[in-house]
Amino acid sequence: GAGVSQSPSNKVTEKGKDVELRCDPISGHTALYWYRQRLGQGLEFLIYFQGNSAPDKSGLPSDRFSAERTGESVSTLTIQRTQQEDSAVYLCASSLDRASSYNEQFFGPGTRLTVL
Amino acid sequence: GNSVTQMEGPVTLSEEAFLTINCTYTATGYPSLFWYVQYPGEGLQLLLKATKADDKGSNKGFEATYRKETTSFHLEKGSVQVSDSAVYFCALGRNNFNKFYFGSGTKLNVKP
Repeated sequence: GAGVSQSPSNKVTEKGKDVELRCDPISGHTALYWYRQRLGQGLEFLIYFQGNSAPDKSGLPSDRFSAERTGESVSTLTIQRTQQEDSAVYLCASSLDRASSYNEQFFGPGTRLTVL
Repeated sequence: GNSVTQMEGPVTLSEEAFLTINCTYTATGYPSLFWYVQYPGEGLQLLLKATKADDKGSNKGFEATYRKETTSFHLEKGSVQVSDSAVYFCALGRNNFNKFYFGSGTKLNVKP
């Protein structure tokens, strides 16, 4: 069956422009996560959606970052006024329920963002 | 706080060599521990997990034992193959945690 998909796979943008990244989770997965991975670093949690509950935005690094998800479907991560420090791979993951040792997270292939 | 430290790569081995990738953690409470693998061009996949001290996770010939006394979860494989070439991530989480904490990843190159 289909896994988590993300688009675009690569995005090059100029400093100051806005970008929108998309994540399509696995059908039926209520939980959705966004992570950022800078070159040579681990995954950094950004935001978590669980069903219709208020999202956990505690990992968003600044107010230039926002994300939306309608119900249990597609999510978009928006970065406004991009900076060179935003260059990274942005990963999306979904799971059946809140991630735990019993609910595996399934990751998408990521979007590589380069800010010139 | 919670954090994971894993050995830096890349690690380059010949086929059939023994593999160890070190992972240590800092955590409050009683975390679960995971190894994820990312093959070239693919997303991260769960490789194995252990949910309590002294548990051993295993999959595809890989093993890791949850050692609370040394706060470690080292990944091992007795005989690596070229197809094992990938980036390996150690991670921790707690039941019902929203977040996992990932290490920086270790790239493994296996030469024929």
